[in-house]
Amino acid sequence: NAGVTQTPKFQVLKTGQSMTLQCAQDMNHNSMYWYRQDPGMGLRLIYYSASEGTTDKGEVPNGYNVSRLNKREFSLRLESAAPSQTSVYFCASSATDTGPYEQYFGPGTRLTVT
Amino acid sequence: AQKITQTQPGMFVQEKEAVTLDCTYDTSDQSYGLFWYKQPSSGEMIFLIYQGSYDEQNATEGRYSLNFQKARKSANLVISASQLGDSAMYFCAMRVSNDYKLSFGAGTTVTVRA
Repeated sequence: NAGVTQTPKFQVLKTGQSMTLQCAQDMNHNSMYWYRQDPGMGLRLIYYSASEGTTDKGEVPNGYNVSRLNKREFSLRLESAAPSQTSVYFCASSATDTGPYEQYFGPGTRLTVT
Repeated sequence: AQKITQTQPGMFVQEKEAVTLDCTYDTSDQSYGLFWYKQPSSGEMIFLIYQGSYDEQNATEGRYSLNFQKARKSANLVISASQLGDSAMYFCAMRVSNDYKLSFGAGTTVTVRA
């Protein structure tokens, strides 16, 4: 039981390049989330998927797109990376049928855009 | 929109002593949940404890307890008998009503001294 997995763990991009961050969970959770973590700002929600087939914007969606590929997988795409997107990205998942709906997090992806 | 405030950027505590981490929140919802997460230097996010707004008793999980004062809108985390392994960043987070999204505070770094 791996929980939430993310790939890659580290990535360096040049400005304007694109990439996709992959996330998968094996806990049969309905909801999945993408956050970014910047120093002094806690975690901020980029996008989330309340259930398979739905996605919604979070607090900081600009410059990102997401795909809920199936119940297990939720990917985050940067179409044209910018230095402001240098951050640590976390994927998380949670149940929606039994409380308290705590979120389980992946190990994170450290992204640097030069 | 929900807001979580953690006013202590960093704290030092002596091994075996207790430490209290402050968290205040702002919401107009009557039904909400409060969470604490731990982030060690390795980077993963670990769920520690949960308190529901209608829970009459303060939540406890081992050495962690949540001092919930609803009228003051505070949900402070108390770590008793601190251990060196408690050195980490701690985040307070909130969910409202039937929304599964979390709003996070900026975090508090705890350093335990031997």
